Amino acid sequence: AQSVTQLDSHVSVSEGTPVLLRCNYSSSYSPSLFWYVQHPNKGLQLLLKYTSAATLVKGINGFEAEFKKSETSFHLTKPSAHMSDAAEYFCVVSEGFQKLVFGTGTRLLVSP
Amino acid sequence: DGGITQSPKYLFRKEGQNVTLSCEQNLNHDAMYWYRQDPGQGLRLIYYSQIVNDFQKGDIAEGYSVSREKKESFPLTVTSAQKNPTAFYLCASSIDWASTYEQYFGPGTRLTVT
Repeated sequence: AQSVTQLDSHVSVSEGTPVLLRCNYSSSYSPSLFWYVQHPNKGLQLLLKYTSAATLVKGINGFEAEFKKSETSFHLTKPSAHMSDAAEYFCVVSEGFQKLVFGTGTRLLVSP
Repeated sequence: DGGITQSPKYLFRKEGQNVTLSCEQNLNHDAMYWYRQDPGQGLRLIYYSQIVNDFQKGDIAEGYSVSREKKESFPLTVTSAQKNPTAFYLCASSIDWASTYEQYFGPGTRLTVT
């Protein structure tokens, strides 16, 4: 079975500094991988997705992620954090035919 | 505007009562899903539907029921058999059942049962 591990439950950064949210996955197939963001009491919004094309994936709001098969990682990065980036982020792997497996989430805190 | 709507945003019920959560989409998507979210946990799949008049149990279907009579609508009923119904419920849809397509999420319904 496929699984996702988000290595940090909370990450704190200062505004203007880089963001790194870590995600490792296990998969028996060629996976599809996604990062979603959730603001408090809201639904999830897709940031970016990897579906076996380019290994460096660019998403919305300046986020990007790199698929590294040898490390089974799909870390999310952003060069400079903004206050509006404070939210919960979910790494997700597709277990074939749209059955998504969610990580437990990483809460990003951004201080002025 | 295309999207997914869930109503109501907040719902309160007494223990022992069934309650139905609404989910409507105007994206013309074939596949729809229901998830449950609890604090500190990722989303868990309750039910999914690949096409009208068809649906399948997800990982935590016990105590829940669904119907898919129309392409646009996928209501979820939380029955009195669900032992811990208080949670945040999210509905989603995708173009079809292929794994490369992202899911689009509604704003969620927070259910509180006392």
